[in-house]
Amino acid sequence: SQTIHQWPATLVQPVGSPLSLECTVEGTSNPNLYWYRQAAGRGLQLLFYSVGIGQISSEVPQNLSASRPQDRQFILSSKKLLLSDSGFYLCAWSPGVGFNQPQHFGDGTRLSIL
Amino acid sequence: AQSVAQPEDQVNVAEGNPLTVKCTYSVSGNPYLFWYVQYPNRGLQFLLKYITGDNLVKGSYGFEAEFNKSQTSFHLKKPSALVSDSALYFCAVRDPHSGAGSYQLTFGKGTKLSVIP
Repeated sequence: SQTIHQWPATLVQPVGSPLSLECTVEGTSNPNLYWYRQAAGRGLQLLFYSVGIGQISSEVPQNLSASRPQDRQFILSSKKLLLSDSGFYLCAWSPGVGFNQPQHFGDGTRLSIL
Repeated sequence: AQSVAQPEDQVNVAEGNPLTVKCTYSVSGNPYLFWYVQYPNRGLQFLLKYITGDNLVKGSYGFEAEFNKSQTSFHLKKPSALVSDSALYFCAVRDPHSGAGSYQLTFGKGTKLSVIP
């Protein structure tokens, strides 16, 4: 069966520091991958999605970036964190073909910026 | 553009009573619809989906949802609520004919369900 892993589960970082959050998927090939941010335990904001290695689409201009160096690895990065980057970051995957398939989520990283 | 509305921020229901969490959507074509549940400090868990066919779809944990095309709604239901059903529920829609963005889901803002013992 397929599984998705995100780490770390929690992270406290100072303003201006760099960020790297990692997400990996097991048990499937060529998945679509997604990064979301959830603020205040409510709505999800799609940040990035990827349909293949090196293919990244950005939905919201900001100081975050994403990379997909391997088929089942998705990384969210920042060179200098802002206070507004605090939130709950969720990674998700869906099968690479078939629009009728749901997205499946990891357990998230709670990021606090001090 | 596609959109989802969950008109209730919070729904309170007594344990053992039926529950309904409301969702309406807007897409240009036939929608693909999904319900998810989120427990505190966890990711979203997929509950059920409507793609085509029977308007009543059944999912995990005894939940079901009814697709109503004329009312553009996809309400989540359960005949008898459990305290353990207390969580945040999200409705999501996908427009499979939206070109490059067809894989994307648009989520509602979520409805907090509280089941009272």
